Amino acid sequence: DAMVIQNPRYQVTQFGKPVTLSCSQTLNHNVMYWYQQKSSQAPKLLFHYYDKDFNNEADTPDNFQSRRPNTSFCFLDIRSPGLGDAAMYLCATSIEAGDTDTQYFGPGTRLTVL
Amino acid sequence: GNSVTQMEGPVTLSEEAFLTINCTYTATGYPSLFWYVQYPGEGLQLLLKATKADDKGSNKGFEATYRKETTSFHLEKGSVQVSDSAVYFCALVGNSGYSTLTFGKGTMLLVSP
Repeated sequence: DAMVIQNPRYQVTQFGKPVTLSCSQTLNHNVMYWYQQKSSQAPKLLFHYYDKDFNNEADTPDNFQSRRPNTSFCFLDIRSPGLGDAAMYLCATSIEAGDTDTQYFGPGTRLTVL
Repeated sequence: GNSVTQMEGPVTLSEEAFLTINCTYTATGYPSLFWYVQYPGEGLQLLLKATKADDKGSNKGFEATYRKETTSFHLEKGSVQVSDSAVYFCALVGNSGYSTLTFGKGTMLLVSP
């Protein structure tokens, strides 16, 4: 089945140690998104790619960066994780970026910062 | 800006009870409206959507009608099951040209046998 895959499902890192989360998709969608979801809160959009065009949300910290080397893969890099960055990180995709386009989510990566 | 307000949970029901989770929104123009469900430890799954006024989205026994006059998109199910226990998120995409989802805070549903 076509799907959105996130690896790893659980990631533990140390305070200040860079970490990379991975997302891949077999849907061949143009748009890929990264969300941060803290405990008992709504997902918050960090940034998204339309093809190779990168769109950063205004309040996304500089500590968070992203790469999309090809259509299928997108990475979230956290340069110096702090305790406040512990969260579930969700990747999503959509065919296009229109207002009726559905976003399809992966299972998420739960990040723990020690 | 856009915003979504959901009723606070948890909502606790017995199996086969009727479910309503209220959702209202603030947005300019005619946003598209969505309900997503998140089971414990998992990502979000699209439950249903409606893209214009008076549309009814439905899936797996759940329904929601896009009411422009009351800016609402309440989720209903006639008979809940234990397996429906999850967190439900109402969300919208404004017609600003980009599909940026604005989520409500989520409502936890707990269904007991």
